[in-house]
Amino acid sequence: DVKVTQSSRYLVKRTGEKVFLECVQDMDHENMFWYRQDPGLGLRLIYFSYDVKMKEKGDIPEGYSVSREKKERFSLILESASTNQTSMYLCASSSGQGREQYFGPGTRLTVT
Amino acid sequence: GQNIDQPTEMTATEGAIVQINCTYQTSGFNGLFWYQQHAGEAPTFLSYNVLDGLEEKGRFSSFLSRSKGYSYLLLKELQMKDSASYLCAVQGTNAGKSTFGDGTTLTVKP
Repeated sequence: DVKVTQSSRYLVKRTGEKVFLECVQDMDHENMFWYRQDPGLGLRLIYFSYDVKMKEKGDIPEGYSVSREKKERFSLILESASTNQTSMYLCASSSGQGREQYFGPGTRLTVT
Repeated sequence: GQNIDQPTEMTATEGAIVQINCTYQTSGFNGLFWYQQHAGEAPTFLSYNVLDGLEEKGRFSSFLSRSKGYSYLLLKELQMKDSASYLCAVQGTNAGKSTFGDGTTLTVKP
């Protein structure tokens, strides 16, 4: 059974803290994605990766960075968390073009 | 870039049929996905269209017209558990990246 896991379901951090969100998939997928989901704004792509050590900016990369050192793991980093980064963060993976994305359960991050 | 439009909300009655529309404008098109997302949960895959026409999968069908930039998701014999958000996503030509619409929240009433 396909599985994407995320390190935390709920996270509370303070403004200015460095935050790491981890995502692991067990399907040997090439592509991995980080989204944030906010009411009225839908799912917005932050970064994606199509191979180990490869990354591309999505639609809203500002304030975020990513790391993909191993195929199964894709990390999202908030260098200095701000209150406007309070959101639901969803990780996904897929095996490539024309293939559906499998989503993790999400991390609800609150920055105070 | 991609521009995707879906209605924000729809309401339908249990047992009925509902059609959720999605229109898109795109600079590159490789296919269109529909996902279902229940409140508080992650999106799950429903259907994929790459060629024009209707794809049927049980109670759910999805239609695509590439020339018109139009798709719809058809849900038949609605059940209460179909109350969810339905996301239309257009896949471009870049490494399997998709752009999602804002989603349509469907409420099924008894």
